[in-house]
Amino acid sequence: GEDVEQSLFLSVREGDSSVINCTYTDSSSTYLYWYKQEPGAGLQLLTYIFSNMDMKQDQRLTVLLNKKDKHLSLRIADTQTGDSAIYFCAESNGYNKLIFGAGTRLAVHP
Amino acid sequence: GAVVSQHPSRVICKSGTSVKIECRSLDFQATTMFWYRQFPKQSLMLMATSNEGSKATYEQGVEKDKFLINHASLTLSTLTVTSAHPEDSSFYICSASHGTSGSSRGEQYFGPGTRLTVT
Repeated sequence: GEDVEQSLFLSVREGDSSVINCTYTDSSSTYLYWYKQEPGAGLQLLTYIFSNMDMKQDQRLTVLLNKKDKHLSLRIADTQTGDSAIYFCAESNGYNKLIFGAGTRLAVHP
Repeated sequence: GAVVSQHPSRVICKSGTSVKIECRSLDFQATTMFWYRQFPKQSLMLMATSNEGSKATYEQGVEKDKFLINHASLTLSTLTVTSAHPEDSSFYICSASHGTSGSSRGEQYFGPGTRLTVT
């Protein structure tokens, strides 16, 4: 079945870049998403990438997609303390149903 | 735009009672709404998908008689947890989409979540 995997924890120093990685198994994935969840809150869509793209950049966020290896990454440049949160990778085959990874907890320290 | 609200944000109820959670799309019409459950430090588990005016589609292992979902209008879906037990305590999150199956992006907009505690 469909599966999405992420590393559970990442710690970075303020000002450095953060790279959060994700792998998925569904080769029919059409869209891949990154969501951010702050404590006690719902999910905020950060960015998405269509499966025929290799890279997408949006301000401090860069998404890289290696479709052959089914690997997705999110790079956050100049990481700030406000970026501390849980980041979820999710994939969709275009029929609205999202499959989420377990989430990566990003901790930013001075 | 694309704001989704949930009410209440937090509820405590006694074992055996029922509790209703509302999910509203505030500035768009949500053809499809989704209900998720999230355990501490875990991912979101999709419970059911509901389309306005039709019966919800439940994921495998989710009891439809226990988790009643109603999507009576294009801006409101409700989840009722019936005969709640302590193991139903969880964070329930809804999301809404203004696309239909096979639409361009299937983007979902998430509510802030409802923390349910059953004592």
